[in-house]
Amino acid sequence: KAGVTQTPRYLIKTRGQQVTLSCSPISGHRSVSWYQQTPGQGLQFLFEYFSETQRNKGNFPGRFSGRQFSNSRSEMNVSTLELGDSALYLCASSLVGRGREEKLFFGSGTQLSVL
Amino acid sequence: AQKITQTQPGMFVQEKEAVTLDCTYDTSDPSYGLFWYKQPSSGEMIFLIYQGSYDQQNATEGRYSLNFQKARKSANLVISASQLGDSAMYFCAMRELGDSNYQLIWGAGTKLIIKP
Repeated sequence: KAGVTQTPRYLIKTRGQQVTLSCSPISGHRSVSWYQQTPGQGLQFLFEYFSETQRNKGNFPGRFSGRQFSNSRSEMNVSTLELGDSALYLCASSLVGRGREEKLFFGSGTQLSVL
Repeated sequence: AQKITQTQPGMFVQEKEAVTLDCTYDTSDPSYGLFWYKQPSSGEMIFLIYQGSYDQQNATEGRYSLNFQKARKSANLVISASQLGDSAMYFCAMRELGDSNYQLIWGAGTKLIIKP
């Protein structure tokens, strides 16, 4: 069974540009969550999608957005990039995202550097 | 207030020794789950072990075990017979059933380095 696939693995952008990251969850998983990881702030929750609908949202500005397609694949978009957006962006999938013991399966992440 | 506290930013351990990584949590929800994840330098977060608040026994998964002390709100990860491949960041996380968002709350992590 293929794991969670994130593309691209690395990205270098300049301030003001926008970027789109992609995530393919494990087959059968319908919940996809996105996290931002930085050395200073740790793991911060961005948003969660389930059945093409955003179900939860973290405390990030509107420049961060996402969507989910009918095959559960998800994309996140960051517009008007800032230097502080440099981070590892992790995608995680789970079956339905609602069980107390339901574990998340993570991709290897996209390392975004904003210059 | 911090809901998940990992007090050890970094640890050095000799290969083959046992390791205990600390995690304390804060919740008033009687129903919750505790998770440990490993993040090697490759970036991927790997699930290690899970403990439910109502589980009577400490969870074990191969060389990993969880020392769950509910009254102390402590869920320490124990790695027996450490190996060089155990060098990684380790994160403790909690999910509260009463949280309508069902999101995992993460600790800051502990960087474990295994010395040959």
